[in-house]
Amino acid sequence: DIQMTQSPSSLSAFVGDSVTITCRASQSINNFLNWYQQKPGKAPKLLIYVASNLDSGVPSRFSGSGSGTDFTLSITSLQPEDVATYYCQQSDSGPYTFGQGTKLEIK
Amino acid sequence: EVQVVESGGGLVQPGGSLRLSCAASGFTFSLYWMYWVRQAPGKGLEWVSAINYDGTTTIYADSVKGRFSISRDNAKDTLYVQMNGLRAEDTAVYYCVRLRGSWFDPWGQGTLVTVTS
Repeated sequence: DIQMTQSPSSLSAFVGDSVTITCRASQSINNFLNWYQQKPGKAPKLLIYVASNLDSGVPSRFSGSGSGTDFTLSITSLQPEDVATYYCQQSDSGPYTFGQGTKLEIK
Repeated sequence: EVQVVESGGGLVQPGGSLRLSCAASGFTFSLYWMYWVRQAPGKGLEWVSAINYDGTTTIYADSVKGRFSISRDNAKDTLYVQMNGLRAEDTAVYYCVRLRGSWFDPWGQGTLVTVTS
């Protein structure tokens, strides 16, 4: 199975800051990398698919990039409602494995 | 509105059984692979099982193989998972998700399964 490793495991930033979360795959997954946002007590929600495509309704302050084995999720102008755990997931080959999650908090 | 709604969770003793259901609406259910994904309390996301469009192909995580059985009824737009031989480590919120393209969307609200004596 392809292993997905996210870093950091948690981070804290001020409202208005920019933050970056990285996700590394144990082998090349081309661009088949998705990001999900899980707010406290809620189900996960699709944020970005195939590395850089924002799902409908996702604010433009979110962006994704990368290819091969290394990917990033960036959030600019951090808002209080961005407090959540973010998961990456590879969908290049089954099983579609997830990263361990990155918990984002506001200082 | 495209949505999936899980039901059937609850409290069960180790070794017991439970069947979860997922009612889909707002899309043509029979055209999509469907998955179950679970999340143990305070932990990350774990893929559990998947089924193809007509139910002829099913796949399972090693952790549930031989104990869980996924199925679907396309006439009722409903996904199921029969869980037998439940263990404490199966305690989790179970989510039903649609595979759209190569990503999971939407996710249901989840149903909690608690395995305890």
